[in-house]
Amino acid sequence: AQSVSQHNHHVILSEAASLELGCNYSYGGTVNLFWYVQYPGQHLQLLLKYFSGDPLVKGIKGFEAEFIKSKFSFNLRKPSVQWSDTAEYFCAVNTGGFKTIFGAGTRLFVKA
Amino acid sequence: NAGVTQTPKFQVLKTGQSMTLQCAQDMNHNSMYWYRQDPGMGLRLIYYSASEGTTDKGEVPNGYNVSRLNKREFSLRLESAAPSQTSVYFCASRLGQGLVTEAFFGQGTRLTVV
Repeated sequence: AQSVSQHNHHVILSEAASLELGCNYSYGGTVNLFWYVQYPGQHLQLLLKYFSGDPLVKGIKGFEAEFIKSKFSFNLRKPSVQWSDTAEYFCAVNTGGFKTIFGAGTRLFVKA
Repeated sequence: NAGVTQTPKFQVLKTGQSMTLQCAQDMNHNSMYWYRQDPGMGLRLIYYSASEGTTDKGEVPNGYNVSRLNKREFSLRLESAAPSQTSVYFCASRLGQGLVTEAFFGQGTRLTVV
């Protein structure tokens, strides 16, 4: 069965620190990859997505992610986090059907 | 353009009570979904509807039923609520029609079963 693993459940950073959140999936075929963000008390919003082409994708608010097919990974990065980035981040995978599988999420807390 | 609208936002039920969570989208999307979100488990798919008139089970369908009333509306029903169904429920929609696109989510319903 397809699955998505997010390595860190909780991350605490100081403002201006760099961020990298890991995401690995288990599926050998073509994938469509997403990162969603959920700010406190809000619904999930799309941060960025990868369907094909350049494996380095840029999203909103300075986030980017790199798809490494050989490692089945889609890690999220941001060079310098802000207090307003405090949120929960979800990696998600779609293998072409109607279902999208979500990871367990990573809670990021940024200290001002 | 409201996107995906869920009602209610909060609900407390007693064990054994029933209720229906409502969801409507105004984006003319074909696919609609119900997820539950539990701490440390991410979002788990309960049921989905690939298109109007069809529904299918997701990962955790037990204890739930759904109705795709029309293209806009997709409701989730708990017939006999149990404490294990305490969760935050999210409705989502996607364009569908063979295309993989991102999902748009509602604000969520926080349900507590006592």
